[in-house]
Amino acid sequence: EPEVTQTPSHQVTQMGQEVILRCVPISNHLYFYWYRQILGQKVEFLVSFYNNEISEKSEIFDDQFSVERPDGSNFTLKIRSTKLEDSAMYFCASSEGLVNTEAFFGQGTRLTVV
Amino acid sequence: AQTVTQSQPEMSVQEAETVTLSCTYDTSESDYYLFWYKQPPSRQMILVIRQEAYKQQNATENRFSVNFQKAAKSFSLKISDSQLGDAAMYFCAYIKTSGTYKYIFGTGTRLKVLA
Repeated sequence: EPEVTQTPSHQVTQMGQEVILRCVPISNHLYFYWYRQILGQKVEFLVSFYNNEISEKSEIFDDQFSVERPDGSNFTLKIRSTKLEDSAMYFCASSEGLVNTEAFFGQGTRLTVV
Repeated sequence: AQTVTQSQPEMSVQEAETVTLSCTYDTSESDYYLFWYKQPPSRQMILVIRQEAYKQQNATENRFSVNFQKAAKSFSLKISDSQLGDAAMYFCAYIKTSGTYKYIFGTGTRLKVLA
C-alpha cells in the first residue's frame, strides 16, 4: 500500500541552526501539507501546497519557515533559524484531491532543538 | 473560526466492550467533512472513518461507527468489540468543503484497552 515517508525520524539540532525535514508524498497525490504536534498538544496546521505554490498557511508559518518541492517527488520543510519552541513532531501529509479524499500522513519527524 | 473540541483526554475500555469518544465542533459552514484519525504509538495517523455533513446517514466502518448530530455539532465515535490494537490517540478533525486546504484537529483522546 502506498504511504507517505518522512526522513529523518528524529533530528536534534542546535538553536539557531537550519533544518530541513523531508517528505516523499504518495506519487499521484496533488496536495501536500505540513502539520506539527508539540508534545501533549493538538496537531496544528502549518501549510498546504498545491501546483508548486503555497495554498494556505497558518500564523505559525512565519518567515522562518519555507516549503519546497525541489524535484517533483520530495516535499521539504525548512526552518531557517530554529528556536527551542520549534521542538515538536512534524507530520507531512498528502491527498489526491482537496476535500473528498482523505489525507495520508507520514510517520513524523521528531525535531528536538537544544 | 472553526474549532474542534474533544473533552475526554483519556478513556479506558475493557477488551470486547464498547466505548464512545466525544467530539464537538463549531462552524458556520453548512458543508464540510468530519474525520476520526487514529494515532498508534508508532505515531503515523490513520484514517478511521469519514462523514460528509450533507449525508444524514451515520458512517460505519466495521467495528467503528459515528453518531453525527449536525444541529448539535456533535460527532462521536463508537468502537464496538474493542481490541487491544485499538489502543491509540484518536483525533477528531474537520475540513470545510471549499476555500481551504486546512484540516482542524481536536486535542485528542487517548484510548486504553484493558485485557
